[in-house]
Amino acid sequence: EADIYQTPRYLVIGTGKKITLECSQTMGHDKMYWYQQDPGMELHLIHYSYGVNSTEKGDLSSESTVSRIRTEHFPLTLESARPSHTSQYLCASSAGPEGFFGQGTRLTVV
Amino acid sequence: AQSVTQPDIHITVSEGASLELRCNYSYGATPYLFWYVQSPGQGLQLLLKYFSGDTLVQGIKGFEAEFKRSQSSFNLRKPSVHWSDAAEYFCAASSGATNKLIFGTGTLLAVQP
Repeated sequence: EADIYQTPRYLVIGTGKKITLECSQTMGHDKMYWYQQDPGMELHLIHYSYGVNSTEKGDLSSESTVSRIRTEHFPLTLESARPSHTSQYLCASSAGPEGFFGQGTRLTVV
Repeated sequence: AQSVTQPDIHITVSEGASLELRCNYSYGATPYLFWYVQSPGQGLQLLLKYFSGDTLVQGIKGFEAEFKRSQSSFNLRKPSVHWSDAAEYFCAASSGATNKLIFGTGTLLAVQP
């Protein structure tokens, strides 16, 4: 079944640690996106990709980085996590105007 | 600048009552329009979408939305709300080749028994 997967679903980690949030999709979509969502708040685009080896920063500035080496994989990395990075991170993919979302990763940095 | 506005942050309705969630957009041209629903701790599920054509669109779970160009609105409706509809609802829009979705701030729906 075509889908989009995010791991881990929940992550609690100490300040200064390096973390990678995984996102994979099996739909063959060229476009992928990372959104950040604080509790009770709207979603803000932080990264997007049009295809392999293509990455762009989104509308909200983020200290995270992304890579797109394979079509199906779009991981997000924080080199040194800080409490201000505590948030929910949602990955999405699209082949057209409609976005398909993963379940999200809720990150807590202590 | 492009934007999506949801004026109602929180709405409470009784089970069985009708529901209307408001959404307004500001774009240079008519964008693609969407309503998503998010249950606690979950990702976003697409309820319905409008690209062109018939201005009244039907979605999943008994929801519908009406596009009104003159009001730059895309309001979500349901004739009879069920307790399981309690969730956060996001209106979103996209345009152009990037397909980047711009979201409203969301409306949290509570359903009273």
